[in-house]
Amino acid sequence: GAVVSQHPSRVICKSGTSVKIECRSLDFQATTMFWYRQFPKQSLMLMATSNEGSKATYEQGVEKDKFLINHASLTLSTLTVTSAHPEDSSFYICSARDHTAARAQETQYFGPGTRLLVL
Amino acid sequence: DAKTTQPNSMESNEEEPVHLPCNHSTISGTDYIHWYRQLPSQGPEYVIHGLTSNVNNRMASLAIAEDRKSSTLILHRATLRDAAVYYCILRDQGGATNKLIFGTGTLLAVQP
Repeated sequence: GAVVSQHPSRVICKSGTSVKIECRSLDFQATTMFWYRQFPKQSLMLMATSNEGSKATYEQGVEKDKFLINHASLTLSTLTVTSAHPEDSSFYICSARDHTAARAQETQYFGPGTRLLVL
Repeated sequence: DAKTTQPNSMESNEEEPVHLPCNHSTISGTDYIHWYRQLPSQGPEYVIHGLTSNVNNRMASLAIAEDRKSSTLILHRATLRDAAVYYCILRDQGGATNKLIFGTGTLLAVQP
């Protein structure tokens, strides 16, 4: 199946710093990518939908100025956690949809996740 | 988005079939039924999806009730590597972005 990569796989940072997470679709083009967050023992929570060449759409309760999303190309989306605090520590997962498939058959592929720990 | 209801957890023995149920009584006509699974410390993995007819692929089978208000994911022979959280998700293919919204899923434990 299609491959989505994330970098870095894990990161530790100091409180107040910013962290950038990259999400790449390796063998297909993705006009739409999604960013999720997952706390321990909980399900995935959708944070935002990233559209290539336009602004991201954020879910209710997600601060767009804190979680900056850029989708500059058909294979790359980035999530920047600005001024990170310990409560931002979580597992961040991106997902990309292969738009070459017929719309009804679109499968969404997920990255391996990035574990962020803010000290 | 229409909601799904799944048991919190299930247990199975290795090499036996597993039937994972999902209720979605408020499903609409344009909702596809998707199943994903998540192994520990990994991103979710696509398993199977369908609309009305039963579906088979190399990973699993999906049995959809005639009224579409429930479905069952069938793993024909469970292995230890099938231990994961299984998510049943409805996705409106006709929606603007047709996002995948995850519920709590079923934690499947496979005993040797």
